[in-house]
Amino acid sequence: SQQGEEDPQALSIQEGENATMNCSYKTSINNLQWYRQNSGRGLVHLILIRSNEREKHSGRLRVTLDTSKKSSSLLITASRAADTASYFCATESNDYKLSFGAGTTVTVRA
Amino acid sequence: EPEVTQTPSHQVTQMGQEVILRCVPISNHLYFYWYRQILGQKVEFLVSFYNNEISEKSEIFDDQFSVERPDGSNFTLKIRSTKLEDSAMYFCATKGLAGEETQYFGPGTRLLVL
Repeated sequence: SQQGEEDPQALSIQEGENATMNCSYKTSINNLQWYRQNSGRGLVHLILIRSNEREKHSGRLRVTLDTSKKSSSLLITASRAADTASYFCATESNDYKLSFGAGTTVTVRA
Repeated sequence: EPEVTQTPSHQVTQMGQEVILRCVPISNHLYFYWYRQILGQKVEFLVSFYNNEISEKSEIFDDQFSVERPDGSNFTLKIRSTKLEDSAMYFCATKGLAGEETQYFGPGTRLLVL
């Protein structure tokens, strides 16, 4: 089935450092989206990258997509304590539903 | 900024009872989805809904589940006879016109079946 898988499962960094997490998927996609979830809360959309795009930026976020390797990465630069959350990649294919990975839990230490 | 809203935020019910979860999509959005997340697990697709009918449903979405848009604004998920394993966070998501790709999620309803 079409699913994203994130790596690493958990990441602990110091405030000010960069956080990088990766996502791999299995079949062709229309787009890949990254979401953030604070503990027990809703999913906040961060950024969408289309299958014909290779890199995208939004504020302190940088997303790359390599369709030949079926992988994406999310970089958060200059992390803050408020970035502490779980981050999920979700792929959309031709059926227009999202398939989520298991997520990366990021802890930013002050 | 427009947002998806869901009610209730929390619901506790007894096994075998019916529950209805409600979602108010972003105005003018046309595509509607329900997802669920069992505690500590992945977010899973349940069903998509467009033009007043189900577009696609997952294996999870069996005969105990139904969706409808009763009044043209609310989008509801009904679980007819809840089971313990239905305990999860249920998310509604909506998407705009064709070509609009981002799905916007509501804050979720946490359902606990006892």
